[in-house]
Amino acid sequence: AQRVTQPEKLLSVFKGAPVELKCNYSYSGSPELFWYVQYSRQRLQLLLRHISRESIKGFTADLNKGETSFHLKKPFAQEEDSAMYYCALRNAGNMLTFGGGTRLMVKP
Amino acid sequence: GAVVSQHPSRVICKSGTSVKIECRSLDFQATTMFWYRQFPKKSLMLMATSNEGSKATYEQGVEKDKFLINHASLTLSTLTVTSAHPEDSSFYICSAPGTGLSYGYTFGSGTRLTVV
Repeated sequence: AQRVTQPEKLLSVFKGAPVELKCNYSYSGSPELFWYVQYSRQRLQLLLRHISRESIKGFTADLNKGETSFHLKKPFAQEEDSAMYYCALRNAGNMLTFGGGTRLMVKP
Repeated sequence: GAVVSQHPSRVICKSGTSVKIECRSLDFQATTMFWYRQFPKKSLMLMATSNEGSKATYEQGVEKDKFLINHASLTLSTLTVTSAHPEDSSFYICSAPGTGLSYGYTFGSGTRLTVV
């Protein structure tokens, strides 16, 4: 069975500080991983996909198969980054499994 | 981009009544729709997968007679919570997989169900 773990429920940093939201997964196949973000009072939206290796809003995430991790990083956090972040894994059957989510709070 | 419209956004109903939640894909065809439930301060849990023209696939522990899912067309999937009880109060979200190179998922805005 697949599983996605986000060990931190809450992460609080000051504006301008680096931020790393952790995500670990377990899956027997070849995973496809995503980060989703939910800003206050808005719907979930896609932030990053590991296959595109892109940087969105300054965030990056690298898939580390050896450590089975897909941590989300940003070198300088902004107040508008405050949101709920979900790591998700897609299996071969097209099903998404979400981690428990991490609430990021960026303080001024 | 692809948009999934979910209605209603909020509903309050009495115990024993049924509530229907609709999700429509507005500018694309969604042959598959995923239905999630989110408990307070918890992550999203997949309830079932609906496929156009066939029966929905339910996850373990989800009562199919209580949560009726219908995928009548390529643009509409519905979730009906039958004989609702207070413990069914939750946030329900639908999601459709994207297509092509932009392989993400599009989420509805969610429905907050409160059963009193």
